[in-house]
Amino acid sequence: GAVVSQHPSWVICKSGTSVKIECRSLDFQATTMFWYRQFPKQSLMLMATSNEGSKATYEQGVEKDKFLINHASLTLSTLTVTSAHPEDSSFYICSALGASGGPSGELFFGEGSRLTVL
Amino acid sequence: LAKTTQPISMDSYEGQEVNITCSHNNIATNDYITWYQQFPSQGPRFIIQGYKTKVTNEVASLFIPADRKSSTLSLPRVSLSDTAVYYCLVGDMDQAGTALIFGKGTILSVSS
Repeated sequence: GAVVSQHPSWVICKSGTSVKIECRSLDFQATTMFWYRQFPKQSLMLMATSNEGSKATYEQGVEKDKFLINHASLTLSTLTVTSAHPEDSSFYICSALGASGGPSGELFFGEGSRLTVL
Repeated sequence: LAKTTQPISMDSYEGQEVNITCSHNNIATNDYITWYQQFPSQGPRFIIQGYKTKVTNEVASLFIPADRKSSTLSLPRVSLSDTAVYYCLVGDMDQAGTALIFGKGTILSVSS
């Protein structure tokens, strides 16, 4: 089946630094990718919708200047947490919707990236 | 986007059949119903998807009544490894850019 890969799987950083998380669709083209955040014992919360070649659409309450999303190609979207603080520590998950040339109608999720900000 | 309601948790024993029901009263005509499974510190994994009536694959069955206001995920003969959180999502998967909104999910605990 289609695979979505995230990197890194986990990262620890100091407060005030920036961290970049990559999301790749390995065997299909994804015009749209989604970024979710999940805190312990909670459900996934949609942060933003990333469209290839255009600006991301952020959900209400998500700071676009803090969570920079770039979707430069049909197989790669990146999420950069800028000036990270301990409250940004969370599990970040990306997903991709199969587009033309790939499986459609199914949302594929990455393995997730655990961010810990000290 | 249609909101979903599921039981917070369910308990079962190995070998039993587990049925998890999800309510989605405001489901739209173009919406599909999709179920995902999530283990701790992993991304959700697709289980099954349907539009109406019954869908069956190698791991589960999905029952959808005619009014489509609810759906039931059926897991036959669960094992310990089926302990996970199960999410029911509703959305128009054919509409490019449509995100799926997660509800609280159902924590399934399987014991020996």
